[in-house]
Amino acid sequence: NAGVTQTPKFQVLKTGQSMTLQCAQDMNHEYMSWYRQDPGMGLRLIHYSVGAGITDQGEVPNGYNVSRSTTEDFPLRLLSAAPSQTSVYFCASSATRRAEAFFGQGTRLTVV
Amino acid sequence: GESVGLHLPTLSVQEGDNSIINCAYSNSASDYFIWYKQESGKGPQFIIDIRSNMDKRQGQRVTVLLNKTVKHLSLQIAATQPGDSAVYFCAEKKTPPRSNDYKLSFGAGTTVTVRA
Repeated sequence: NAGVTQTPKFQVLKTGQSMTLQCAQDMNHEYMSWYRQDPGMGLRLIHYSVGAGITDQGEVPNGYNVSRSTTEDFPLRLLSAAPSQTSVYFCASSATRRAEAFFGQGTRLTVV
Repeated sequence: GESVGLHLPTLSVQEGDNSIINCAYSNSASDYFIWYKQESGKGPQFIIDIRSNMDKRQGQRVTVLLNKTVKHLSLQIAATQPGDSAVYFCAEKKTPPRSNDYKLSFGAGTTVTVRA
């Protein structure tokens, strides 16, 4: 039981490049979400999903896309990377909306 | 804007002493308040939560207190150990009725350093 797995752990992108951050969970959780963590600002919600085929925007969705084709996977796509997207990204999942959230180890992204 | 915030960004504690980490919130509609611990290079880890209709909840070496009158939340760690050194976040969860949705909002975090 691996929990929430994020790949890659580190990534450097050039401005304008696109990439996908992967998130997978093996706990059969319905709820999955993406956060970004910036110094002094806590975690901010980017996008979330309450089940396969259902996604919605969080607090800071601009510049990011998500999809949820399976229960297990919730990839986050950066369409055209910008330096402002330099951050640490965390994926989380929870079994129900009242249950605790489990977080992945994070992806540290630098856009130059 | 941010609806949860922590009083102090850093806290230094002597090993063996009790730690108290504070958090203020502004949204009275939250259903749960949650404390997370984040060690260096890792994702946040759930510590304890408390429903909004409770005042106190205890776990192993941790106690969370909720004062709804002044909208204040605290995490108390008994007999602080070196392994308690981490960033601690308070978060609030809203679960709208007649919906499958929930929103989790985090404060900025307090860095706790345990002195030997």
